[in-house]
Amino acid sequence: RKEVEQDPGPFNVPEGATVAFNCTYSNSASQSFFWYRQDCRKEPKLLMSVYSSGNEDGRFTAQLNRASQYISLLIRDSKLSDSATYLCVVNNEGYSTLTFGKGTMLLVSP
Amino acid sequence: SQTIHQWPATLVQPVGSPLSLECTVEGTSNPNLYWYRQAAGRGLQLLFYSVGIGQISSEVPQNLSASRPQDRQFILSSKKLLLSDSGFYLCAWSSGYNSPLHFGNGTRLTVT
Repeated sequence: RKEVEQDPGPFNVPEGATVAFNCTYSNSASQSFFWYRQDCRKEPKLLMSVYSSGNEDGRFTAQLNRASQYISLLIRDSKLSDSATYLCVVNNEGYSTLTFGKGTMLLVSP
Repeated sequence: SQTIHQWPATLVQPVGSPLSLECTVEGTSNPNLYWYRQAAGRGLQLLFYSVGIGQISSEVPQNLSASRPQDRQFILSSKKLLLSDSGFYLCAWSSGYNSPLHFGNGTRLTVT
């Protein structure tokens, strides 16, 4: 089974900072990419899909680099409420499943 | 809109006892259904998935089983729980294999 790897964490940043997470995937045939957010002891929730041309949702920007097989998530103007674990998710071409990275923990401090 | 219900929220069971976790989805038909487990401090592990009634694919051999008796119902079972079965069990649905997953609230299982 193909792998998805993420930056090791935790990332400790002050409020207002900009932080970026990277994720690499090994299946070059993957077509779908997502970022999820998981709060402590809660279920993962879809943050945003990642499109080939890159996409933005408020303070969050996702980008895809197919040639280098990585995706990124940029968070601008970090808020305390952004503290969570961010999961990179990639579909497995030919399988009806998605592969989750182990996640990167973000801690935003006052 | 689509909703997913999973219960119970927490469960404490002795070693060797049976298990039955249920998940139902509303507002969509013929969803792909999934069971994941997340051990403490670990990533999500796919246990089973189903693309239709009676169709179950197992990802990890273990003492768990899954069934899909109805289109929007997915059940995770065990005849005899092990200590290592403790974890956070998550049911999820998607509209297709390239689509994002939507998770239930999860069941936190402690086997004692």
